[in-house]
Amino acid sequence: EAQVTQNPRYLITVTGKKLTVTCSQNMNHEYMSWYRQDPGLGLRQIYYSMNVEVTDKGDVPEGYKVSRKEKRNFPLILESPSPNQTSLYFCASRGDAVETQYFGPGTRLLVL
Amino acid sequence: DAKTTQPPSMDCAEGRAANLPCNHSTISGNEYVYWYRQIHSQGPQYIIHGLKNNETNEMASLIITEDRKSSTLILPHATLRDTAVYYCIVRVAASGGSYIPTFGRGTSLIVHP
Repeated sequence: EAQVTQNPRYLITVTGKKLTVTCSQNMNHEYMSWYRQDPGLGLRQIYYSMNVEVTDKGDVPEGYKVSRKEKRNFPLILESPSPNQTSLYFCASRGDAVETQYFGPGTRLLVL
Repeated sequence: DAKTTQPPSMDCAEGRAANLPCNHSTISGNEYVYWYRQIHSQGPQYIIHGLKNNETNEMASLIITEDRKSSTLILPHATLRDTAVYYCIVRVAASGGSYIPTFGRGTSLIVHP
């Protein structure tokens, strides 16, 4: 079954404690991306990757890092989380056509 | 990408057609209109896309005006499970390229019994 998986699904942490949210896809997609969703703001892109070792900033990259060492994985790293990064995060991957874009189930993060 | 404007919310009775408008008056000739939806706290789901002609698939119909400055997504027989936020996106090229869509605030559709 084609899918994008994220872990953890829920996370409560404290300010400054480094964390990583993993993302994995089984569709051999080249394109992967991270979004955050906040009430009233829609989905905003954090980072995206066109292929292995190729990443670029989206609309709201501050405070985040990503890496793409393998095609299937695209982890999101918060080196020093702050309360304003409390949000719902989605990982997505897609093939050549936009209609083949798949989203993960989401990770709900609370930073205290 | 061309900017889109959607009403923040709409409601519809179950079994009736839901017509969701989108304004994209600055659309370029090579830009497609895409629609996604997001059911509460789930990831967005692709619905349909088109360039000039009206399109229909198993989920919905897309009507694009002749001047392409606006479009309407039609859910012909809305069900309670169609309650979601619907996003209209305009972008170049239907395939290939590095583009990954950015979503605005969308329209929150509530289907009531």
